[in-house]
Amino acid sequence: GQQLNQSPQSMFIQEGEDVSMNCTSSSIFNTWLWYKQEPGEGPVLLIALYKAGELTSNGRLTAQFGITRKDSFLNISASIPSDVGIYFCAGHPRTNNDMRFGAGTRLTVKP
Amino acid sequence: EPEVTQTPSHQVTQMGQEVILRCVPISNHLYFYWYRQILGQKVEFLVSFYNNEISEKSEIFDDQFSVERPDGSNFTLKIRSTKLEDSAMYFCASSEALRNQPQHFGDGTRLSIL
Repeated sequence: GQQLNQSPQSMFIQEGEDVSMNCTSSSIFNTWLWYKQEPGEGPVLLIALYKAGELTSNGRLTAQFGITRKDSFLNISASIPSDVGIYFCAGHPRTNNDMRFGAGTRLTVKP
Repeated sequence: EPEVTQTPSHQVTQMGQEVILRCVPISNHLYFYWYRQILGQKVEFLVSFYNNEISEKSEIFDDQFSVERPDGSNFTLKIRSTKLEDSAMYFCASSEALRNQPQHFGDGTRLSIL
């Protein structure tokens, strides 16, 4: 019930294209967070969302906290080669304290 | 910018041996976490720690595992009698508060059990 379903699993895009990925759950979440992980490193926080409907940007990244509190999306505009990595959604379920992670979206950007 | 640091970056251990993974959380953070990531899989929650005791733990965090804050700066994960399936990246994270606050991650320790 508190699992996060992240899609797509992987994306292969051309430099300059926009990217969209999302996360859904059957449970309500109090926060949604988006992390990026590069090889050999830990997840790095990109965007944190705290309220239903919240839309937040960080440079070329934009994320939204779904109105139902059961989903979130991340958009990357005008992708560049350094956007390559694995993007994870994460969130705090309403009913407990631990943070759950999605399975990740592996992004490849072709120059 | 303050960061979470983990040592060692890579630990190779014989099956059945004990290992201790070390972390220095961000200095003004009060909540500490350990996560595991098996190669190619998602990040899995192990345990959260606050005020010198465990706050939450997952089903993965069984009697083989223990955590400790031995001094004012370090936070350790001990794995007793390691098994082959314990091979994974182990990430430490910290946050200012437990509920609904972003967690900041270290770069992880790659644990290889032979």
